[in-house]
Amino acid sequence: AQRVTQPEKLLSVFKGAPVELKCNYSYSGSPELFWYVQYSRQRLQLLLRHISRESIKGFTADLNKGETSFHLKKPFAQEEDSAMYYCALSGRYYGNNRLAFGKGNQVVVIP
Amino acid sequence: DGGITQSPKYLFRKEGQNVTLSCEQNLNHDAMYWYRQDPGQGLRLIYYSQIVNDFQKGDIAEGYSVSREKKESFPLTVTSAQKNPTAFYLCASTLTGQGTNYGYTFGSGTRLTVV
Repeated sequence: AQRVTQPEKLLSVFKGAPVELKCNYSYSGSPELFWYVQYSRQRLQLLLRHISRESIKGFTADLNKGETSFHLKKPFAQEEDSAMYYCALSGRYYGNNRLAFGKGNQVVVIP
Repeated sequence: DGGITQSPKYLFRKEGQNVTLSCEQNLNHDAMYWYRQDPGQGLRLIYYSQIVNDFQKGDIAEGYSVSREKKESFPLTVTSAQKNPTAFYLCASTLTGQGTNYGYTFGSGTRLTVV
């Protein structure tokens, strides 16, 4: 079964502190991993994909196939990073670009 | 202005009624999806469609129905058989093919409340 686990529901960090959101997955094939973000009163939007290997808004995520993880990191949190973050997975055998989402992390950045 | 539009934003349903949520996209995306978002549950897939006139059940399809008569449109009907329909419903679309997932574009959602 394809499964995405985000262990922490709520993460509070001080402005300027590092933030790391954990994501572990279970998938038998070759996965494609994503992070989505939902700011208050805005629609869910793609933050980054592991395939593109880019840094968006200072966030990075590295796919670790050995640990089946795709943790999201940012060295210095900003107040505008307060949002809901979802890790998601798709893969060839999951079929048809279906995305399986984790339950999400609520991030609160304290000024 | 390209995008994906969901309507209405808020919808109230009486017990025993069917209601239909609209989802329209002008991105020329092939695939469309319906998710349900509940607090603490993340997003759960209801139905999806890869091409016109074809759709597949997701993980929680019971009590829902869809149609895909046009590429641009993928309406979701919440039937009276859905026992707990109060939720936030998200529609999404994406390109398909070329062996990779480009990620989804999401609508702004419809909040359905049973009264």
